[in-house]
Amino acid sequence: DAKTTQPNSMESNEEEPVHLPCNHSTISGTDYIHWYRQLPSQGPEYVIHGLTSNVNNRMASLAIAEDRKSSTLILHRATLRDAAVYYCILRDYNNNDMRFGAGTRLTVKP
Amino acid sequence: ETGVTQTPRHLVMGMTNKKSLKCEQHLGHNAMYWYKQSAKKPLELMFVYNFKEQTENNSVPSRFSPECPNSSHLFLHLHTLQPEDSALYLCASSQDLGRVGNTIYFGEGSWLTVV
Repeated sequence: DAKTTQPNSMESNEEEPVHLPCNHSTISGTDYIHWYRQLPSQGPEYVIHGLTSNVNNRMASLAIAEDRKSSTLILHRATLRDAAVYYCILRDYNNNDMRFGAGTRLTVKP
Repeated sequence: ETGVTQTPRHLVMGMTNKKSLKCEQHLGHNAMYWYKQSAKKPLELMFVYNFKEQTENNSVPSRFSPECPNSSHLFLHLHTLQPEDSALYLCASSQDLGRVGNTIYFGEGSWLTVV
């Protein structure tokens, strides 16, 4: 499986935008980029996913580099409730499972 | 509330005990999963079921025995566990397999401590 690299931790101020980077230089043409997050004492929850084009939903935006070797999850206005571990995952079109890495622990300061 | 319910939320068991973790999903999904999350380690996929049939066993020791009686229920039977098996066990479900756009919904997990 293609691997992803994320910073171990990041900090943000409340109500400011947050850009969470992910490098996936060995991504293949059939890999989708998924983002999940895990709030304290909860299971992971889906945030967003994409293949080539940038994606937006009510939770976040996903910006994918033109060569697809990196992507950025954008939280437009961080709240205290966004403090979580964010996982960037590559999921092959033909693969059924999700392989999680260590993720980025986001701290949001009031 | 994700629609995936796990019980018990916390379990302490001795190494000679036999216990079970239960997962129920109310989403009408066909695929269910068990994951293990240990301290300081990434989530590890353990088992995958699709339409009650096991499709993946990720080299899990036989002291962990899954059971999927129907598409809505998934069990993880535990026996003769070791202290290093102490972890958060997460159940998840998705509509089916083979479609990468499927969102996977996780339960809140069962915290297991083996003493």
